[in-house]
Amino acid sequence: SQQGEEDPQALSIQEGENATMNCSYKTSINNLQWYRQNSGRGLVHLILIRSNEREKHSGRLRVTLDTSKKSSSLLITASRAADTASYFCATSGSYGKLTFGQGTILTVHP
Amino acid sequence: NAGVTQTPKFQVLKTGQSMTLQCAQDMNHEYMSWYRQDPGMGLRLIHYSVGAGITDQGEVPNGYNVSRSTTEDFPLRLLSAAPSQTSVYFCASKLVPGYEQYFGPGTRLTVT
Repeated sequence: SQQGEEDPQALSIQEGENATMNCSYKTSINNLQWYRQNSGRGLVHLILIRSNEREKHSGRLRVTLDTSKKSSSLLITASRAADTASYFCATSGSYGKLTFGQGTILTVHP
Repeated sequence: NAGVTQTPKFQVLKTGQSMTLQCAQDMNHEYMSWYRQDPGMGLRLIHYSVGAGITDQGEVPNGYNVSRSTTEDFPLRLLSAAPSQTSVYFCASKLVPGYEQYFGPGTRLTVT
């Protein structure tokens, strides 16, 4: 069964707007990671946030983690058409196994 | 570094045939995994390995075998292909558990 549930399933915005994606999970984790997948390609790691961290930034990306609510959010600021992709959260538990959510399809219109 | 490489990129099999999906990494990563990706299902873990000679099952291991004789290679064997195994298969590696994972480009498999 999937550990992560992502919301929304699809998001369509205009270039320059911010995009927010949410991820909820069910069991305790060591860390939570966000990945990006362009159509027909493999996944690319974006950012990792550990269970004792609450917020992390990387360029235009901001990730928050609320372990009490078992949820995380990924914010992409000032989005670009090149940000169009699927975004997945993945929780890391015992033995480093990653469990992925179903993903959010982001479309950024020029 | 080439990173994580997978061959073939595309494959069509008939029901009952067997084949091996190849995966190799040149980053000296101990941890390697195989996933399958189906529409609307995200990625599901098939098998993983924490080092040469050590493998374990993931979420959906039935119908697949793996072995890890070297640090670099982690092949996935389909014993008797079924249409339900039509999917995109990704191999991934990471230095140690808890770190970021690097993915290969994927193998698109169709079983007719």
